[in-house]
Amino acid sequence: AQSVSQHNHHVILSEAASLELGCNYSYGGTVNLFWYVQYPGQHLQLLLKYFSGDPLVKGIKGFEAEFIKSKFSFNLRKPSVQWSDTAEYFCAVGLEKLTFGTGTRLTIIP
Amino acid sequence: KAGVTQTPRYLIKTRGQQVTLSCSPISGHRSVSWYQQTPGQGLQFLFEYFSETQRNKGNFPGRFSGRQFSNSRSEMNVSTLELGDSALYLCASSLMAGNNEQYFGPGTRLTVT
Repeated sequence: AQSVSQHNHHVILSEAASLELGCNYSYGGTVNLFWYVQYPGQHLQLLLKYFSGDPLVKGIKGFEAEFIKSKFSFNLRKPSVQWSDTAEYFCAVGLEKLTFGTGTRLTIIP
Repeated sequence: KAGVTQTPRYLIKTRGQQVTLSCSPISGHRSVSWYQQTPGQGLQFLFEYFSETQRNKGNFPGRFSGRQFSNSRSEMNVSTLELGDSALYLCASSLMAGNNEQYFGPGTRLTVT
């Protein structure tokens, strides 16, 4: 069975700091990879996705993620965070169904 | 285009009762998936429906069931409610089965007392 690990449960950063959230998965085959974001009081929204091709994918709001197959990782990055990035971030993996990580709560201090 | 809608948004039930939650997917989307979100377990997959057929099922007891109608709207039912069923139930729709680009609704917050 596939599983997803997000090791950072809560990350606190100041505005303009760089962000990297870790995501590792365990699955031997080909999978699709996603990052979702849940802003306070809002729905889960798709930030970015990787199906195939260039392992560096760009999403909305300046986020990007890099798929490293040898490390089974799909880390989320942003060079300079803003207060409005405060949210919970979920990594998800799947083909037929999605398996989500437990989420990382990101708090940005103005 | 309207997003995924879920009704009701909030629900309070008593142990032993049953509950039905409803989900209307984005127009044109034919696949509907359901997830349970709790602080302890995170987001867990319940089941996926496509063309009125259940395609995938997660590791939940048989008390959790669902169905999909010909207009792609879906319902999930939980019978004999337990305190541990208190959670946010999320519905997500996608264009086709196995297309994991899913769009989520706001969820139904179920509280079992």
